[in-house]
Amino acid sequence: GENVEQHPSTLSVQEGDSAVIKCTYSDSASNYFPWYKQELGKGPQLIIDIRSNVGEKKDQRIAVTLNKTAKHFSLHITETQPEDSAVYFCAASIRYSGAGSYQLTFGKGTKLSVIP
Amino acid sequence: EPEVTQTPSHQVTQMGQEVILRCVPISNHLYFYWYRQILGQKVEFLVSFYNNEISEKSEIFDDQFSVERPDGSNFTLKIRSTKLEDSAMYFCASSAYRDTEAFFGQGTRLTVV
Repeated sequence: GENVEQHPSTLSVQEGDSAVIKCTYSDSASNYFPWYKQELGKGPQLIIDIRSNVGEKKDQRIAVTLNKTAKHFSLHITETQPEDSAVYFCAASIRYSGAGSYQLTFGKGTKLSVIP
Repeated sequence: EPEVTQTPSHQVTQMGQEVILRCVPISNHLYFYWYRQILGQKVEFLVSFYNNEISEKSEIFDDQFSVERPDGSNFTLKIRSTKLEDSAMYFCASSAYRDTEAFFGQGTRLTVV
């Protein structure tokens, strides 16, 4: 089955700096890669996702890149703010309209701390 | 904004007891999921449910586990005879369609003593 590895497990950055979190996956059939943010006491919340037909996607200060050949994808947060402090999870899945797997395979999570 | 709600937020139970974790998915969603996260480990898929039946389950989801949508709004996870290793955070999630975003609840922390 799919295996997702995520690094680093903890990351501290100064406010305003960039943060990068990296994930690798094992199943070349995976084609959907979401990123979730989990704040204390809350469930994971989707912040951005990417499908394998694109190499990069951006939404304001957040961007995700995908390298299908190397089977890795990364989350980039620019101009970090204290409210970005949370645990971030990457995940992988096989998704096709009307087919594929339901399950998301998660990475172990990265605890991001943004220091004011 | 619609959200997935889970109750209780924390449940303590004795080993061997049955527990039922409850979830109210987003009202127009059709697909429902349970995940769990043992402390310090990855979030793991347990089961997905669609059209009143299990559509996919992991090897974790053995005969001790069952899911049900008893009344068209609630979605429950039952653990028949809890073990110490069932202690974890259990997340319910729902999605409108098979290949759309899954929205997660805030989780139920289950502690088996």
